[in-house]
Amino acid sequence: SQTIHQWPATLVQPVGSPLSLECTVEGTSNPNLYWYRQAAGRGLQLLFYSVGIGQISSEVPQNLSASRPQDRQFILSSKKLLLSDSGFYLCAWKTGSGVCYFGPGTRLLVL
Amino acid sequence: SQQGEEDPQALSIQEGENATMNCSYKTSINNLQWYRQNSGRGLVHLILIRSNEREKHSGRLRVTLDTSKKSSSLLITASRAADTASYFCATALYPYGQNFVFGPGTRLSVLP
Repeated sequence: SQTIHQWPATLVQPVGSPLSLECTVEGTSNPNLYWYRQAAGRGLQLLFYSVGIGQISSEVPQNLSASRPQDRQFILSSKKLLLSDSGFYLCAWKTGSGVCYFGPGTRLLVL
Repeated sequence: SQQGEEDPQALSIQEGENATMNCSYKTSINNLQWYRQNSGRGLVHLILIRSNEREKHSGRLRVTLDTSKKSSSLLITASRAADTASYFCATALYPYGQNFVFGPGTRLSVLP
């Protein structure tokens, strides 16, 4: 069965520090992968999606970037975090039938 | 405003009652999906309804879709305390696109 992993589960970082969040998927090949951010009590904002290795599309311009170095690995990064980057980051992959499966999320607090 | 918007923003009911949540959207869609999120967790897919379908059932869940009104509803029958969560509708835009748009969600509280 398909499984999606995210780490770390929680992260507290100072403003200006770098960020690296990792997402890996098991049980599928060539998945469409997504990074979403959710502010407290709010809906999900699509940040990046990837249809294959090295292919990244950005939905919202910001100080975040994404990379897909391997078929089942999706990384969200920042060189310098801002206070506004705090939130709940969710990785997801979408099946051919259009259903999204989400990872457990990473809660990021920037101080 | 957003493509998908749920209504109400928050709903509080007693255990055993039915809960109805609505979702409105603006553009043509391929399908509409409902997801559930327990506090601090990832989203879990509940049900998908395609644009050519009008109603779908899954256990205690009933989803309707009215493409002429660009709206959908999620009905949870005989609610339980364990149904307490946030519920989101998500639309896959037509023609097929990668962006999968989520609404802000309805926070459902089922009181024992």
